[in-house]
Amino acid sequence: NAGVMQNPRHLVRRRGQEARLRCSPMKGHSHVYWYRQLPEEGLKFMVYLQKENIIDESGMPKERFSAEFPKEGPSILRIQQVVRGDSAAYFCASSQDRGPNEKLFFGSGTQLSVL
Amino acid sequence: GQQVMQIPQYQHVQEGEDFTTYCNSSTTLSNIQWYKQRPGGHPVFLIQLVKSGEVKKQKRLTFQFGEAKKNSSLHITATQTTDVGTYFCAVASGTYKYIFGTGTRLKVLA
Repeated sequence: NAGVMQNPRHLVRRRGQEARLRCSPMKGHSHVYWYRQLPEEGLKFMVYLQKENIIDESGMPKERFSAEFPKEGPSILRIQQVVRGDSAAYFCASSQDRGPNEKLFFGSGTQLSVL
Repeated sequence: GQQVMQIPQYQHVQEGEDFTTYCNSSTTLSNIQWYKQRPGGHPVFLIQLVKSGEVKKQKRLTFQFGEAKKNSSLHITATQTTDVGTYFCAVASGTYKYIFGTGTRLKVLA
């Protein structure tokens, strides 16, 4: 029973390149959340998606960042034209359903380094 | 928007000492969750509190939800080196996205 799978674990990009981070939720889970974490800091909410829908993207920068969760395949967080300030750990979490009592299961994260 | 503050930000304790972290919300909460993130790891769900004044225990960990449902605490009795990590509270907000507190970083000195 695989948990939340994120890949790659580490991603190195040069300034101006694109970064694509993938997240496969736990089996049976249709809700995905993306968080960003800087070293020694907390988890900052970015976006909440359900299959084929963006439920809440209030934490995502308006430019260069986008997310999707297609009917088939993993959720993708896409960062275009990366800058040094995008360097961080990006965690994905999934839940079975939507509501205030849902337990979040986290992946191991993708560490993005922008040179 | 929803804000969740935790204090202290950092705590260093000697092994065997107790530890407490507090989580405070600006609004009344329907429930609160606690997660632990080991150094270099990912957050792992610990527990959820729903009722006003609720107290739950997991071995040496005691979780409490305030009477007004605006604050919560996590207390660890007789810390061990395995307790090292960052403890986050989390609340469901608006569209049921989960907002995490600022976290308390615990170091245990052997």
